[in-house]
Amino acid sequence: DIQMTQSPSSLSASVGGRVTITCRASQGIDNYLAWFQQKPGKAPKSLIYAASSLQSGVPSKFSGSGSGTDFTLTISTLQPEDFATYYCQQYKTFPYTFGQGTKLEIK
Amino acid sequence: EVQLVESGGGLVQPGGSLRLSCAASGFTFSSYSMSWVRQAPGKGLEWVSYISSDSTSTSYADFVKGRFTISRDNAKNSLYLQLNSLRVEDTAVYYCARTVAGHDWGQGTLVTVSS
Repeated sequence: DIQMTQSPSSLSASVGGRVTITCRASQGIDNYLAWFQQKPGKAPKSLIYAASSLQSGVPSKFSGSGSGTDFTLTISTLQPEDFATYYCQQYKTFPYTFGQGTKLEIK
Repeated sequence: EVQLVESGGGLVQPGGSLRLSCAASGFTFSSYSMSWVRQAPGKGLEWVSYISSDSTSTSYADFVKGRFTISRDNAKNSLYLQLNSLRVEDTAVYYCARTVAGHDWGQGTLVTVSS
């Protein structure tokens, strides 16, 4: 199985700031990577697919990059509604696998 | 607007069975692959199963192989997950998601396995 490792597991940032979350695959997955945002008690929301394609309706403050084994999600100009948990997922090979999540908290 | 509405969750004893449903609307259901993903209380997301748009291809996580069965009825715009031989560790919110990249998600249905 392909292991997805996110870093950091948690981070604190200020409103107006910018953060980058990293996701590393245990083997190459081309660009078959998605990013999701989840708030407590809510379903995950799709942000990015194909590593860098912005989901319809998602603001351009979210951006994804990478290919192969190393990927990043960058969130700029943080607003209170951006503080949530973020997950990456590979969909190159079954079983599809998620990273363990990164909890973004307000500093 | 895409809508996915799960149902069928509940409390079941270990070894019991449940059938989850996901009613889809707002898109051409028969054109899209679908997945089930679960989340145990306080834990991360865990992929469970996949089915292709025409049901010719399915896949399962190792921890559910032989116990869970995914299916769909394109005429009814519905996705299903049959859960058999349930274990305490299967307790989770189960989500259905549109496409392998999870473009849209339902609100989830809670399955609790407990004696």
